[in-house]
Formats: sequence, structure tokens, C-alpha cells
Amino acid sequence: DTGVSQDPRHKITKRGQNVTFRCDPISEHNRLYWYRQTLGQGPEFLTYFQNEAQLEKSRLLSDRFSAERPKGSFSTLEIQRTEQGDSAMYLCASSRTGQLSYEQYFGPGTRLTVT
Amino acid sequence: AQSVTQLDSQVPVFEEAPVELRCNYSSSVSVYLFWYVQYPNQGLQLLLKYLSGSTLVKGINGFEAEFNKSQTSFHLRKPSVHISDTAEYFCAVSPNYGGSQGNLIFGKGTKLSVKP
Repeated sequence: DTGVSQDPRHKITKRGQNVTFRCDPISEHNRLYWYRQTLGQGPEFLTYFQNEAQLEKSRLLSDRFSAERPKGSFSTLEIQRTEQGDSAMYLCASSRTGQLSYEQYFGPGTRLTVT
Repeated sequence: AQSVTQLDSQVPVFEEAPVELRCNYSSSVSVYLFWYVQYPNQGLQLLLKYLSGSTLVKGINGFEAEFNKSQTSFHLRKPSVHISDTAEYFCAVSPNYGGSQGNLIFGKGTKLSVKP
């Protein structure tokens, strides 16, 4: 069990640029979640996958955001035409299915700064 | 819809003193309840969870929490804190729709600062 990993850990980008983050879940976990955490707030749910299927998306996930999990393993989160309001920590988590789905294991996050 | 309120944004306490971090929730359906801890520059770590059964749940690092359905609360307690408990603590709920479901709704967090 190597834990959930995220890459990069930090990203600085200029407004209007596109960015992509990667998340590698714990290998036997079917579910993968994306959250966003801004300063002084708790994490907010963005979307989750069960295997390769994206089962739920928050209304926070605007059209500029897209997430994929093509082979049911790693996932990518892309933000197009970044805005300053996108500056946040982007957290990935994974879990098993069934009742163990409630035990989510979080990665260290990717901190995005949009200048 | 569900919401979580953590009543204290910051809690300073001296080492070896007891501490209680308060959490209240609102939900039209039954929920599962969680406490997570976030140490500086680290990811969130699950401290404890309440799914069903005994309303007093014990977690890692000597923490425990009690589910009170009538007061819709899930307060976190530790009888004697250590410097190493300094961290931010998040209360979270997940709606129970009778099947497995997973997205968590978090409170804003409580920063626990343990002083020597």
C-alpha cells in the first residue's frame, strides 16, 4: 500500500493557461474522488469515479473543468482557461466499494496558484 | 442537502489538557460521520468514523467522538493532548441512501494548537 499520490505537488500558472493534474490511487481501490480546498475552508467535493465511469459531478465543476479516468486506474483533472479563482489545493482520494467506500484515503494534494 | 458546522475555527490548549472539538451537522437523511486530521503539508488522514452501532467511537491517537442524533452533533474529544496533536481537524458527513456512496461534505475545520 503506497498511498495516493498526486503530481505535481505545486503548479503556478498564468491566467488563461490550461493545467492538468494527475492522481494515482491505491492500486486495489475502485473509487477515485476529486476535491478542492480553498484557504480557510474544508475540502469541497468535485467529482468521483467508480472504475472508469464518472458517476457524479458537483455543480462546482464548471465547463472549464474535466476529469477522466480512462483505464480505471489513474485520473487526470484538467482546468482550461484558468482564472484566479481557481487557485486552491486540489485533493484526490480513493476508496474501495461497498461499505468500505466510506474510508477514503487522501493524497497530499496539488496546490494551484493562478497569477 | 447536508451541511457541517464546526463551531470553533481555532482551539488553543496546553499540553496534557483535555480538548473537545465541536461539530454539528444538518441533513434530511441519515448520515455517516467522520473526523479527519490534516497535519502541515500532509494529506487528510481519517481519525475515526461512525457508521452504525455504538454512538461512542474510538479512533487513532487516543481520540474519540460521540454521535448524538437528537442534537445532530459529533464532537471529538481527547483526554490529554500532546504537542504532536497540533493540526487542523475536519468533521465530515456522507449521506446514507441505503447503499454505498461516498462523497464527503466537510466542515471548515478547527485548528488545534497545543502549547507546552
